[in-house]
Amino acid sequence: GENVEQHPSTLSVQEGDSAVIKCTYSDSASNYFPWYKQELGKRPQLIIDIRSNVGEKKDQRIAVTLNKTAKHFSLHITETQPEDSAVYFCAARRAGGSNYKLTFGKGTLLTVNP
Amino acid sequence: NAGVTQTPKFQVLKTGQSMTLQCAQDMNHEYMSWYRQDPGMGLRLIHYSVGAGITDQGEVPNGYNVSRSTTEDFPLRLLSAAPSQTSVYFCASSYFGNSGANVLTFGAGSRLTVL
Repeated sequence: GENVEQHPSTLSVQEGDSAVIKCTYSDSASNYFPWYKQELGKRPQLIIDIRSNVGEKKDQRIAVTLNKTAKHFSLHITETQPEDSAVYFCAARRAGGSNYKLTFGKGTLLTVNP
Repeated sequence: NAGVTQTPKFQVLKTGQSMTLQCAQDMNHEYMSWYRQDPGMGLRLIHYSVGAGITDQGEVPNGYNVSRSTTEDFPLRLLSAAPSQTSVYFCASSYFGNSGANVLTFGAGSRLTVL
């Protein structure tokens, strides 16, 4: 099955700096890559996603890049703010039929210091 | 529109006891799933369903049963609880989007402790 590796497990940045979280996946048939944010004590929520026919996607301060050849994708957060502090999860889903199983990485705890 | 509703929010069990975590969604989503979240382990898929009457195993199915008799409900059953099942459980659902994406809507979570 699919295996998703996520790095780093923890990341601390100063407010205003950029943060980058990287994920690699094992199944070359995977075609959908979302990112979820989970604030302390809350449920995970989608912040951005990308499909395999796109190399980059941006939404204000957040961007995701995908390298299908290398099988890795990254989350970029610019101008970080204290409210960006949370656990971030990447995920991958294999294409085909009714297979909608998402495999998640182990998460990155991002701390933005004021 | 309540989204995904999980009950109970907290539960303490003794080893060997059984219980059911309830999950209901009112968005007419075909896909429903259960994840467990443990420190440092991320979100691991337990079981999932792509429609009423259809269920399948995820990464960590042992010790758990599910059924999907209606589109709205997807209960998770622990037949004989073990301390290793102490965790936070999330139910999540999504539609099958034409764009190829399925955006999961998560419930608020259920914290289970097995003594």
